[in-house]
Amino acid sequence: DTEVTQTPKHLVMGMTNKKSLKCEQHMGHRAMYWYKQKAKKPPELMFVYSYEKLSINESVPSRFSPECPNSSLLNLHLHALQPEDSALYLCASSRIVYRATIAPGLNQYNEQFFGPGTRLTVL
Amino acid sequence: KQEVTQIPAALSVPEGENLVLNCSFTDSAIYNLQWFRQDPGKGLTSLLLIQSSQREQTSGRLNASLDKSSGRSTLYIAASQPGDSATYLCAVRSLSRSYNNNDMRFGAGTRLTVKP
Repeated sequence: DTEVTQTPKHLVMGMTNKKSLKCEQHMGHRAMYWYKQKAKKPPELMFVYSYEKLSINESVPSRFSPECPNSSLLNLHLHALQPEDSALYLCASSRIVYRATIAPGLNQYNEQFFGPGTRLTVL
Repeated sequence: KQEVTQIPAALSVPEGENLVLNCSFTDSAIYNLQWFRQDPGKGLTSLLLIQSSQREQTSGRLNASLDKSSGRSTLYIAASQPGDSATYLCAVRSLSRSYNNNDMRFGAGTRLTVKP
């Protein structure tokens, strides 16, 4: 199974709503990512989870709250979003490759596999 | 900081033509480089991954090359088909310099149209 699944495919929400995006993979990958992609732009990294712990937060506003309940699942909780948050939200996963011979404990991430994305519209 | 550039931004070719997409990066200390395809409004599909120790990878009609010293990668598509129409993105993963570093940078992509 080399698939990353995301639900829902589409989401329309008001600025006062609370909603969640879900991502799942069963490839045994221990790194999972959230990206935001605006039209005709490359994906922008939001969060990285390594071994179910948040390892990178790219200065994302607190109205986005990630959660990694287990090694296969990744959620993104949304609250009080703004219309400019409308975008395609992509989830990805990858294997973590240890480079113990160079620097013990230093993680290196391998090939990323992306899900189909959730198209979010904030009214 | 790694900068990734893709040229051209858009390309239109007739069906059957061979074509080359270009990706350049500023820091040669990379771990790997990945080429993706993205259809409008869809997720990214991984096409080829080249590790820093490799010079090229092939998959079907696709061939990706890597020249670390010059900071360049190319994606060669042979005998293009209308179904190849999509945006092609390259992403460069730099060598980790700190714990849990995820220094993966995307280019802006090349939008390819293959006309029947």
